[in-house]
Amino acid sequence: SAVISQKPSRDICQRGTSLTIQCQVDSQVTMMFWYRQQPGQSLTLIATANQGSEATYESGFVIDKFPISRPNLTFSTLTVSNMSPEDSSIYLCSVEFGSGSYEQYFGPGTRLTVT
Amino acid sequence: KQEVTQIPAALSVPEGENLVLNCSFTDSAIYNLQWFRQDPGKGLTSLLLIQSSQREQTSGRLNASLDKSSGRSTLYIAASQPGDSATYLCAVLQGAQKLVFGQGTRLTINP
Repeated sequence: SAVISQKPSRDICQRGTSLTIQCQVDSQVTMMFWYRQQPGQSLTLIATANQGSEATYESGFVIDKFPISRPNLTFSTLTVSNMSPEDSSIYLCSVEFGSGSYEQYFGPGTRLTVT
Repeated sequence: KQEVTQIPAALSVPEGENLVLNCSFTDSAIYNLQWFRQDPGKGLTSLLLIQSSQREQTSGRLNASLDKSSGRSTLYIAASQPGDSATYLCAVLQGAQKLVFGQGTRLTINP
């Protein structure tokens, strides 16, 4: 496993603004993912962050709303754009090391509240 | 479309009891199944990973089983403790490393 950190850990934002969430891993990983957990719900995959190319988005999620960057093998950002109260959620990044087991490890999450 | 269901949604038991959490999935074409623990407002801690070719995995007081053909997994917790109180999530891995999660079982262990 590895140490996965996210910044910020929580934030309260006004509607119409944007927030960028950072995910940092202390070792190189093969895959990085971003998930959303809405209040009282389980986790839903937003996208796979691809190093050096555009992210792969799941159905229902678009790049204009959730732009993602992954400049190297240890770092990724997720931006939540033009926020509305419906975007209030916990956002989590996860990583996979390419060991063949496909086991994913999760960061501590970013709790976002939009007012 | 893969659907993952966890039963029960909530469970409250006295300390020291053995308990079983259930997870079912609709599509048996999975790579693996992971059980996670989530404490309130926190991220996920991976508890056990079962590959699709395996039947069970054990870690300490935890034992997870997998019956892929019937689309079922169970998480057995022996000698429960108050510190085991958390939400337990199961997730199945399908192509392209996509994890599909169940809704979770909220477990409370009463001292």
